[in-house]
Amino acid sequence: AQTVTQSQPEMSVQEAETVTLSCTYDTSESDYYLFWYKQPPSRQMILVIRQEAYKQQNATENRFSVNFQKAAKSFSLKISDSQLGDAAMYFCAYRSAMDSNYQLIWGAGTKLIIKP
Amino acid sequence: EAQVTQNPRYLITVTGKKLTVTCSQNMNHEYMSWYRQDPGLGLRQIYYSMNVEVTDKGDVPEGYKVSRKEKRNFPLILESPSPNQTSLYFCASSLSYDIGSPNYGYTFGSGTRLTVV
Repeated sequence: AQTVTQSQPEMSVQEAETVTLSCTYDTSESDYYLFWYKQPPSRQMILVIRQEAYKQQNATENRFSVNFQKAAKSFSLKISDSQLGDAAMYFCAYRSAMDSNYQLIWGAGTKLIIKP
Repeated sequence: EAQVTQNPRYLITVTGKKLTVTCSQNMNHEYMSWYRQDPGLGLRQIYYSMNVEVTDKGDVPEGYKVSRKEKRNFPLILESPSPNQTSLYFCASSLSYDIGSPNYGYTFGSGTRLTVV
């Protein structure tokens, strides 16, 4: 069974600086998708970025980018120019391309604190 | 506005008293799913539905029931709630469950904080 591990329960960063959140996963599959979701205090789950395993190019969305290392099974999220609105729980999630449950497998989350 | 609506947002109940958490989406999505979120565990899937009258178990279905009589609604039923079902619950929907489809992408509800005493 696939697992997703986020080893940093909490991270803090100074406003305007860069922070990297770690995520590793375990799978025997070669075709899958990885996601980062943001959960602010409002509890709404918001998709930040998505990466297809077959793509070598790292996904980027404005200030958010990933470092996808398929051989190492690592999928870290880099947030540049951190803003107060980035404060939230961040979840890494895995989705098999072949999973009959069609479900996302989630990490435990990392709480990101932005210091003004 | 396209959205997934969950109700109630907060609920405190007693052990054994049946309850229903409602979930409704206005996007004509085929796929709907329920997750529970617990500290240190992330989200875990309870049940999912691929279309009307098609439902199946996720990883943690014990103590829960669902139904999908209409495309837009996917209620979560706890017949006899117990304290270990105290959790934050999310409903999510997607136009397509096929991740290769350009229509794939979850929309989440705002969550229901359930406390069973």
